[in-house]
Formats: sequence, C-alpha cells, structure tokens
Amino acid sequence: EDKVVQSPLSLVVHEGDTVTLNCSYEVTNFRSLLWYKQEKKAPTFLFMLTSSGIEKKSGRLSSILDKKELFSILNITATQTGDSAVYLCARPETSGSRLTFGEGTQLTVNP
Amino acid sequence: GAGVSQSPSNKVTEKGKDVELRCDPISGHTALYWYRQSLGQGLEFLIYFQGNSAPDKSGLPSDRFSAERTGGSVSTLTIQRTQQEDSAVYLCASGGDRYNEKLFFGSGTQLSVL
Repeated sequence: EDKVVQSPLSLVVHEGDTVTLNCSYEVTNFRSLLWYKQEKKAPTFLFMLTSSGIEKKSGRLSSILDKKELFSILNITATQTGDSAVYLCARPETSGSRLTFGEGTQLTVNP
Repeated sequence: GAGVSQSPSNKVTEKGKDVELRCDPISGHTALYWYRQSLGQGLEFLIYFQGNSAPDKSGLPSDRFSAERTGGSVSTLTIQRTQQEDSAVYLCASGGDRYNEKLFFGSGTQLSVL
C-alpha cells in the first residue's frame, strides 16, 4: 500500500493567519493527489492535482503539487473560524482505484 | 438522489449482535466505497465496488464483515457478532468520474458497540 503522510497532525492558529499543510506520498505510478475537508463526518472534495507546478485555487484556499519531490501543500490565507476542520490528503492506490488517505491535519482557528 | 445517503445515522448495539448499515449512492455513480474512521484516526479502506466487477474486499478486517451492492446501486455493509473495537464511524462514498477519484461522501453511520 502506498503511504500518504501528512504534517503537521494538528495546528492551532488565530483568525487572519496563513497556514500551510503538507502531504507527502510514495509513488509507483502517479495519477493524482486529492485534498478533502472534513468538518463533521463527511469529507468534502477540495482539489485534485495531476500536474506538477500548476496551482489550483478556490477563494482563500490553494494547492500545488511537486511530482519531483513527491509532495503537495495546501495553503489557506486569512484563516477564519469556519476553516476549522480536518484536512485530508489522498491518492489512488497503484494496484487499484481505491483512495488511500493520510491521517489528516486537525486545523483549529481561534477568534 | 442529490447526495450520498447513509442510514442509520447512529446505531447502538450490544456486543455479539449483528448490524446492517445502508448506503444509497448518487444516481449514476458506478463506484462505491466503504471506509471506517475511528475517533481521531484517518480513513481506513474497507471495500470498493466498481460497476459489475468483482469487489475489492482487501480492506475488510475480518470475516465478520461483508458487503453487497444490489443492482449496481444501494449497498449494505453487514457486521456479524459485533465487537467493541468495531465502534467507529462508517463512511460510504460514491464516484462517477473517469478514475473514481473525486468521491462524494455520505454523513456516515456512528456505530457504538456496548
């Protein structure tokens, strides 16, 4: 099973701060890397990255992939309390289509 | 439906009882996944259905766990002779893009085994 490793495991910041979440992965045949946000129970899709160096952006969130160094980062600027959640990184298994998830980063944004 | 629907949302059972968890995926999605998430942990893959192909059962933790998907739509995850370590949130997801990577998750079933 290809591993997905996220860091930090938890992060506490104040509103307005900028945060960077990290995801590193092992690869045999890379296809894509995905980011999800989990607030209560159901993770919701954020980004799918397939190409190195091309930033994906949605509002205050952005993500980029480095296929050479085998990692991705998720940036959140001007954080708000509503950004508090677990952020999950995932990639398809090389042996099948199932997604392998990292342990997640628990982000807490305090007022 | 508009989203992935799971039932029940909460289930409390006694050790040794059997439970059935239901997942209704998004209409037209060919891929259906079951994951398990224990408190403070990541998502643990259980089983994956893709169309009419044989399911990938490699994540099922023991033979007490089984799942089926009828008519390529609704899926049921069955846990027999439940144990306390089975307590977790069971999440179902469906996917319909080319590689079934962009998944849509249900709200999960919180299973508590007393």
